[in-house]
Amino acid sequence: AQKVTQAQTEISVVEKEDVTLDCVYETRDTTYYLFWYKQPPSGELVFLIRRNSFDEQNEISGRYSWNFQKSTSSFNFTITASQVVDSAVYFCALSVLSGAGSYQLTFGKGTKLSVIP
Amino acid sequence: GAVVSQHPSRVICKSGTSVKIECRSLDFQATTMFWYRQFPKKSLMLMATSNEGSKATYEQGVEKDKFLINHASLTLSTLTVTSAHPEDSSFYICSARDRREESTDTQYFGPGTRLTVL
Repeated sequence: AQKVTQAQTEISVVEKEDVTLDCVYETRDTTYYLFWYKQPPSGELVFLIRRNSFDEQNEISGRYSWNFQKSTSSFNFTITASQVVDSAVYFCALSVLSGAGSYQLTFGKGTKLSVIP
Repeated sequence: GAVVSQHPSRVICKSGTSVKIECRSLDFQATTMFWYRQFPKKSLMLMATSNEGSKATYEQGVEKDKFLINHASLTLSTLTVTSAHPEDSSFYICSARDRREESTDTQYFGPGTRLTVL
């Protein structure tokens, strides 16, 4: 069975601070995909990144960066110089190929980030 | 690109009525769409997987006769909540997988529909 743990339920930071959102996953599959989604107060989930299990290169996109470490089964997300618009719930998700031949996406419980001006 | 729309965004209905929610992929074709339910301050729970031209696959515990899913085309899936009850009140979110990205399971999400059953 797959599992995604986001231990941080809520985080508050002051604007311009850096913040890291943790994500730890569990799977026995060697091929899988990891995702981060952002859910602002409006409710719509916004796709941020996809990483496959064979690509451990870290990625940077503007103020966002992701650190994928298979050795610790972690896929952490860092926001540099946070802004009020970053306030949202962030979900980490894991996708593996099920026995039925279809992908199954498992979400973590989410981390609510509040950026205070 | 990769825009998914949902309609309506918000609906209030009386207990016992049926409500239809539409999910459309606007700029890509989706052979597979998904329906999720999200309770306040909770994560998303997959309800069913909708495949174009075939019957939906429901997750354990989800009543298929209550939550009717139809995936009539490569850009449209509908979820009908039949004989709605107050406990069906929730935030329903659909997602669609671009057929060109089938092998990576990247899902693009709609804006959600907030259903309130009185």
